[in-house]
Amino acid sequence: ETGVTQTPRHLVMGMTNKKSLKCEQHLGHNAMYWYKQSAKKPLELMFVYSLEERVENNSVPSRFSPECPNSSHLFLHLHTLQPEDSALYLCASSLMRGNEQFFGPGTRLTVL
Amino acid sequence: QQPVQSPQAVILREGEDAVINCSSSKALYSVHWYRQKHGEAPVFLMILLKGGEQKGHDKISASFNEKKQQSSLYLTASQLSYSGTYFCGTESGRGSTLGRLYFGRGTQLTVWP
Repeated sequence: ETGVTQTPRHLVMGMTNKKSLKCEQHLGHNAMYWYKQSAKKPLELMFVYSLEERVENNSVPSRFSPECPNSSHLFLHLHTLQPEDSALYLCASSLMRGNEQFFGPGTRLTVL
Repeated sequence: QQPVQSPQAVILREGEDAVINCSSSKALYSVHWYRQKHGEAPVFLMILLKGGEQKGHDKISASFNEKKQQSSLYLTASQLSYSGTYFCGTESGRGSTLGRLYFGRGTQLTVWP
């Protein structure tokens, strides 16, 4: 596979569930990002990892927990989410922070 | 810190031109432009850096006026494939905010044959 991939593409979960979103990049990049895209709202940056170190946590609630085990993989662990967390979650990567970002196709999350 | 994009929506006939504007109330280091088609991931178009540059490829170009903290995206002789939502992302500096983009709400562009 090439580019940035995300799994699953769609996820429906209850408020008490625990799930994880996975992102993988095959571009040799060193920075990875999680974004939230809600209807009628701009793209919101959630987390930034550079060389596997978290460098940005944009006041995201603790029910979202990121993990970056290596420069190619990024996870977003979800627990006790709220219905307002329903959105498209996009992963992106860039060669270094500040360079152009390449986005994955996203995970459409619905919280019931 | 979120930039303001205008217009919110544009409808064009094939071959017509369009300009999309992005303005910020903060000093900017760079402006990134992306296009997102319905149901797809945003796709990078170009980055403009502090220094007041212009860039372009094919019939899409952009300018960055750092004094006015504004960037404009120019689409000339539009094609059907240009349809989508255009986002600008602004970066206010290097250092700890490096790579931290604030995105506008997007401009929805529709090109009709």
